[in-house]
Amino acid sequence: QVQLQESGPGLVKPSETLSLTCTVSGGSISSYYWSWIRQSPGKGLEWIGYIYNRGSTIYNPSLKSRLTISIDTSKNQFSLKLSSVTAADTAVYYCARQPDDFWSGYYIDWGQGTLVTVSS
Amino acid sequence: DIQMTQSPSSLSASVGDRVTITCRASQTISNHLNWYQQKPGKAPNLLIYDTSNLHSGVPSRFSGSGSGTAFTLTVSSLQPDDFATYYCQQSYSTPRTFGQGTKVEIK
Repeated sequence: QVQLQESGPGLVKPSETLSLTCTVSGGSISSYYWSWIRQSPGKGLEWIGYIYNRGSTIYNPSLKSRLTISIDTSKNQFSLKLSSVTAADTAVYYCARQPDDFWSGYYIDWGQGTLVTVSS
Repeated sequence: DIQMTQSPSSLSASVGDRVTITCRASQTISNHLNWYQQKPGKAPNLLIYDTSNLHSGVPSRFSGSGSGTAFTLTVSSLQPDDFATYYCQQSYSTPRTFGQGTKVEIK
């Protein structure tokens, strides 16, 4: 069974860059679509974007100008960087896996989630 | 973006009740509609994908139906473990979008 685990700072200052890593175990990261999803009380569940095919990305247009998702197949990890953060980016961030097909856009496996607070 | 609207936002029910949650999309999404269950402090868990396909290990009391813009999740006989928040999500286009959630509470 594939397992995902998010890691990264729990506190980020406004205007700085939020960086998270998702480590995948129990399966190869070279297949499937790998997503980031966040959840905040004010906005519910929000899809951030995904990476697939060892490096192709699709981002949420609302975040695209600040967002980078990358993959490191040698470490079986993928990462999220969100720049110029504000309090509105405070949320629980999840990494998740969908089948290796655009139309199969459902999330089979999720990380446990990591709370990131944006505050000075 | 495709807007997903769930109703009701919350409901109270008893063990053994039949419960139905509705999800509407702002435009047609064919059958690309998925349902998740989330409990406090945990990640969502996939229940149903592509409108009516039960994910592996999900009890058969859960079922889904619909097409186009209107979809339903039904729990045929609510069990104690089913008290949670339920979300729909469309996978017809990007950005993927979720409903605002339906909290199922104990009556």
